Amino acid sequence: NAGVMQNPRHLVRRRGQEARLRCSPMKGHSHVYWYRQLPEEGLKFMVYLQKENIIDESGMPKERFSAEFPKEGPSILRIQQVVRGDSAAYFCASSWDSNTEAFFGQGTRLTVV
Amino acid sequence: AQRVTQPEKLLSVFKGAPVELKCNYSYSGSPELFWYVQYSRQRLQLLLRHISRESIKGFTADLNKGETSFHLKKPFAQEEDSAMYYCALRPIPGYSTLTFGKGTMLLVSP
Repeated sequence: NAGVMQNPRHLVRRRGQEARLRCSPMKGHSHVYWYRQLPEEGLKFMVYLQKENIIDESGMPKERFSAEFPKEGPSILRIQQVVRGDSAAYFCASSWDSNTEAFFGQGTRLTVV
Repeated sequence: AQRVTQPEKLLSVFKGAPVELKCNYSYSGSPELFWYVQYSRQRLQLLLRHISRESIKGFTADLNKGETSFHLKKPFAQEEDSAMYYCALRPIPGYSTLTFGKGTMLLVSP
């Protein structure tokens, strides 16, 4: 089991472009969580998804950000019209169910120039 | 709203010295508390959780509900303990969403 895989590891986007971050959960895991870490800050919860459903998106900015976890394929965090303030490390975690340990990926570092 | 506070950004000790990484939380209900560790160039991984009451790699942490604290302790630090440590809280039993502190960098010098 390769663990939670995130790609790309590093992503550079110009202001106004779109960023797509991918997360493949561990085999057998159907729960996915996205976190964002701004410089000098801890990880902040963004969204919690279960296959094809958004369970909790209370940490997602209301505009420009969206997430999905389709029946087939990885979970995608999409940021439209990126701004400099979106520059951060984005971490994905997955778990077997809602009550078991979540395992983290290595993160995607987004830089907006 | 819940909050996790780690007052120290950096803790530097010598090998063999005792270590205590502080964590305080605020939450109106009964939380579940965790310590996560991130070694250099590695992914974040669970170190221990309060409900398991384990000692992992010599580290222990006791939940003190009166002081709303969950400090991480080790009696004799090792150089390989150098890493970033995050305290985290799970506010709703049944959800794996976590609230993290800002983290403390532990540096253990020879």
